[in-house]
Amino acid sequence: EIVLTQSPGTLSLSPGERATLSCRASQSASSSSLAWYQQKPGQAPRLLIYGASSRATGIPDRFSGSGSGTDFTLTITRLEPEDFAVYYCQQYGGSPLTFGGGTKVEIK
Amino acid sequence: QVQLQQWGAGLLKPSETLSLTCAVSGGSFTGYYWSWIRQPPGKGLEWIGEIHHSGSTNYNPSLKSRVTMSVDSSKHQFSLKLSSVTAADTAVYYCARVEGWFDPWGQGTLVTVSS
Repeated sequence: EIVLTQSPGTLSLSPGERATLSCRASQSASSSSLAWYQQKPGQAPRLLIYGASSRATGIPDRFSGSGSGTDFTLTITRLEPEDFAVYYCQQYGGSPLTFGGGTKVEIK
Repeated sequence: QVQLQQWGAGLLKPSETLSLTCAVSGGSFTGYYWSWIRQPPGKGLEWIGEIHHSGSTNYNPSLKSRVTMSVDSSKHQFSLKLSSVTAADTAVYYCARVEGWFDPWGQGTLVTVSS
C-alpha cells in the first residue's frame, strides 16, 4: 500500500498570501498519478488537480500542482477567503487507492 | 453534467449490515468504475472499493472480508453492503465516479453505528 504523508498538518496564513502544501508518497507507483481535493465543512471533497498538474474543470488558475514520483506540491498563489479549507492528496498509481491525512489551511 | 445521489439507512446497531445505494444521472454510466469512500467524523478519507458497470470489483484489503458491491446498469445505480458493522464504521460514506481520481462525488450519507 502506498502511504501518502501530507505536510504541514495545519497552515496558518492570511488572505492574499501564498500557500504551499506537500504530499510525499512512500513509494513511486506511477510518475504523475496524483490528485488533490479541497474539502469544506459539511461538504464532499472537490477535485482540484489530477495527473499531478492538470486543473479540473472550473478550478481557478491560482491553484497549481507540481511534482512527480514521490514528491508532490499544491500551490495556491494568492489565498482567497473561500480557499480556507482542508486539502487532501490521493494516489491512483497503485492499489488500494489511498489518501493523505490532509492539510488544514486556516486563517491567521 | 454527471450527478450522484445517494441514500441509505443512517443508524445501525453493532453487527448489522450497512446498505447504501448511489444513482447516477446526467451522463454515461457505462465504461466507468464507481467507488465508495468513507470519512469518520473529524478524520481523513478511506477508499472502500470500486465496481465497474460490468460488475467487476476491486476492494480495499482492509475491508474486503465485509464488503459487497453490486451494480444495476439498467437503473444507473450501484450499491454498497458492509456487514458486521461496529462503532469504528461510523462515518460519512460517499459515492464517486472513478477516473483514477474521484469526480464527481455524491452528497454523502452519515452512518452511525450505536447500540
